[in-house]
Amino acid sequence: ETGVTQTPRHLVMGMTNKKSLKCEQHLGHNAMYWYKQSAKKPLELMFVYSLEERVENNSVPSRFSPECPNSSHLFLHLHTLQPEDSALYLCASSQYLGNSPLHFGNGTRLTVT
Amino acid sequence: AQSVTQLDSHVSVSEGTPVLLRCNYSSSYSPSLFWYVQHPNKGLQLLLKYTSAATLVKGINGFEAEFKKSETSFHLTKPSAHMSDAAEYFCVVRWSSGGYQKVTFGTGTKLQVIP
Repeated sequence: ETGVTQTPRHLVMGMTNKKSLKCEQHLGHNAMYWYKQSAKKPLELMFVYSLEERVENNSVPSRFSPECPNSSHLFLHLHTLQPEDSALYLCASSQYLGNSPLHFGNGTRLTVT
Repeated sequence: AQSVTQLDSHVSVSEGTPVLLRCNYSSSYSPSLFWYVQHPNKGLQLLLKYTSAATLVKGINGFEAEFKKSETSFHLTKPSAHMSDAAEYFCVVRWSSGGYQKVTFGTGTKLQVIP
């Protein structure tokens, strides 16, 4: 149990589907993150939320839409994805400031067909 | 600006021999440094962290790392590799200042352990 739970673990979707990834943390952290991990590429930061406000958005295509309703929950809404969006999507949480580490979930393996 | 360089993309060791995974960093601020391990289809698990206390940091599973400011290095070591250590390892630098924070990941080192 990592303290950060992601669902689903695996997701296969067509390019016209709409789906959502969910992340929940029980660590009392005030910041949450979405990362994308593709084969043979460095880890890519997508979004950062601090106290439910988006503080970082790294030029992510609009087909990815994050939502942070409270400090414990983070969603990534997906629509009209492309095959190159297939990857492992990792959620993490931390205290936004200070020197504490990020805590990661086990990720959602997304395959776009 | 801050950056992290993991000098080896792949390291191969025999079971029972020492492990050395190299990491160099640059940071304009006093950074915190971390090592994470990732097994296939899993998230990143924290191995150890340096946060300006002792320069030799002990982590889980027998790993340790030494912060050397003069060399801007934070290499990860283990005296004796085990088969279960085969995974990918990430060096991470983090700093925060003036209400802003930044986290930078290295590109990862895949560790192969040969029986």
